[in-house]
Amino acid sequence: NAGVTQTPKFQVLKTGQSMTLQCAQDMNHEYMSWYRQDPGMGLRLIHYSVGAGITDQGEVPNGYNVSRSTTEDFPLRLLSAAPSQTSVYFCASRNRGSENSFFGSGTQLSVL
Amino acid sequence: QQPVQSPQAVILREGEDAVINCSSSKALYSVHWYRQKHGEAPVFLMILLKGGEQKGHEKISASFNEKKQQSSLYLTASQLSYSGTYFCGTDMYSGGGADGLTFGKGTHLIIQP
Repeated sequence: NAGVTQTPKFQVLKTGQSMTLQCAQDMNHEYMSWYRQDPGMGLRLIHYSVGAGITDQGEVPNGYNVSRSTTEDFPLRLLSAAPSQTSVYFCASRNRGSENSFFGSGTQLSVL
Repeated sequence: QQPVQSPQAVILREGEDAVINCSSSKALYSVHWYRQKHGEAPVFLMILLKGGEQKGHEKISASFNEKKQQSSLYLTASQLSYSGTYFCGTDMYSGGGADGLTFGKGTHLIIQP
């Protein structure tokens, strides 16, 4: 099993550009989530999903969109990138009833 | 509200003990501990539930004082592999995984030979 796979690992964008961070899991987990990690700030929840077709906002959702058309995939979209979105982004998944979340290896995003 | 972790950083010699604290201003249902090595993803260590149930990982243990809304992570006889940043995540509701947590800013632990 690959676990949670994030692509790309690194990305540089110009202000105003759009892009999608990909997240896929092969563990048939119902719950998936996106975090951003900034120096000295810890992990902050952006959006999460409790199943296909269901998404909700986390602590810092502004500037990001998500969708969950399948159990396996949970892409994060930046519609118009801003320098404040420079961060490391992590995707995580878990099973219903399990407290153990599995994280992907992260995407380092720089917005110039 | 983000839990407060202390200390922010600690440097130990291999074999020494360390305690990392996590406190919240709100009543908690559970506290989760994760470890992240530099450049890697966070890895789940353990969860402490209201009512005293505890699950462990490796040789690291933890406590949860519900009344004080505090948790402590104990690393005894530290090994080089324990180096990393430790995060606590607090959950006010039952059944939450990482998607229901509010994480602290982390404690950097450096183990020297």
